[in-house]
Amino acid sequence: QKEVEQDPGPLSVPEGAIVSLNCTYSNSAFQYFMWYRQYSRKGPELLMYTYSSGNKEDGRFTAQVDKSSKYISLFIRDSQPSDSATYLCAMSAPLRGNNRLAFGKGNQVVVIP
Amino acid sequence: DTAVSQTPKYLVTQMGNDKSIKCEQNLGHDTMYWYKQDSKKFLKIMFSYNNKELIINETVPNRFSPKSPDKAHLNLHINSLELGDSAVYFCASSLGVNQPQHFGDGTRLSIL
Repeated sequence: QKEVEQDPGPLSVPEGAIVSLNCTYSNSAFQYFMWYRQYSRKGPELLMYTYSSGNKEDGRFTAQVDKSSKYISLFIRDSQPSDSATYLCAMSAPLRGNNRLAFGKGNQVVVIP
Repeated sequence: DTAVSQTPKYLVTQMGNDKSIKCEQNLGHDTMYWYKQDSKKFLKIMFSYNNKELIINETVPNRFSPKSPDKAHLNLHINSLELGDSAVYFCASSLGVNQPQHFGDGTRLSIL
């Protein structure tokens, strides 16, 4: 089993719909969870960062973490064409003498006007 | 002002050559990273430095050697380039370990 699993999509939704993305992971040591957005030919940019189970909201974006199920989600409300991008989940774990960091494969999202 | 800048943006070279990619951040961050993103967009961590000390060293051919002359710079030197090295290489930085990262816009490396 891969350390982080993310369905690469692509996912097409009409403008205004809710986009739902998720990742599962196998390493229970992961404590910090992030979602990044990447536009074509650009570097990833941070959308959400959390280190506890539960929900975190920022504008139209909501991140959910369920550590017991090893499952994280990102929801985008009232999706816009400008939300069309690749979304990557990432997680990290402080380990003795080292640090573990892993990304999902990315999920391509297309919002259709 | 660009927070994380990488040079060059594009690098086209022949197999067997040695090349370097430079990265600088002006955010005052302590931790810097190098990633490789392949044609399928999979982003894989290669190295990470915290306060100039190597803290992540993934399974990467030893043809790849990172160098951190100071906290604001992390360069990547690649010896004897191979076709499989063609990818986009991203540099990133964060305030500290396990903190959110700021990425550069990548260096697109093509091996002929």
